[in-house]
Amino acid sequence: RKEVEQDPGPFNVPEGATVAFNCTYSNSASQSFFWYRQDCRKEPKLLMSVYSSGNEDGRFTAQLNRASQYISLLIRDSKLSDSATYLCADHNYGQNFVFGPGTRLSVLP
Amino acid sequence: NAGVTQTPKFQVLKTGQSMTLQCAQDMNHNSMYWYRQDPGMGLRLIYYSASEGTTDKGEVPNGYNVSRLNKREFSLRLESAAPSQTSVYFCASSVRYEQYFGPGTRLTVT
Repeated sequence: RKEVEQDPGPFNVPEGATVAFNCTYSNSASQSFFWYRQDCRKEPKLLMSVYSSGNEDGRFTAQLNRASQYISLLIRDSKLSDSATYLCADHNYGQNFVFGPGTRLSVLP
Repeated sequence: NAGVTQTPKFQVLKTGQSMTLQCAQDMNHNSMYWYRQDPGMGLRLIYYSASEGTTDKGEVPNGYNVSRLNKREFSLRLESAAPSQTSVYFCASSVRYEQYFGPGTRLTVT
């Protein structure tokens, strides 16, 4: 089993929709969690870190559920420009980042 | 401030050839990383360097070597390229837990 798993999608949603992605992790010792955005043929860019209490950045909300070992990303009022692949990652102190395979989102006009 | 730069952007090699991928960062970060990204596999760590003078193996180090030349530069070498090394290679550097990636090198081994 991979350490970090994601539904690869694609998720096809209309503009203005709300969409949510989940990401599960198997390493219970993981301490830090992140969402990255990757546009086609580009490098990943950090979208947001995920804090234990949950955090919000504009239309984006990230949640962490340690008991069930998953993190989620909610995108409200989807824009065409949100179309990308979303990668989740975890990090354990003393080790390195482990990335999921990514979830592809297409926002349709 | 260029961030993380990588050269070359594209490369085609024949099986058995060697090459070095270059990476440099101007953000004064201690940690640097090399990943490969293949369809459906996500980013997999090849090697990393927690600080100047140190390097460690990641998840998929076989067939690669690295050099942390100084704080800014971290190179990845393929001594004898194989078709299985066809991939997109990303270099990254980090401060605390925020990683910054270079634009990537698309490598094809025929």
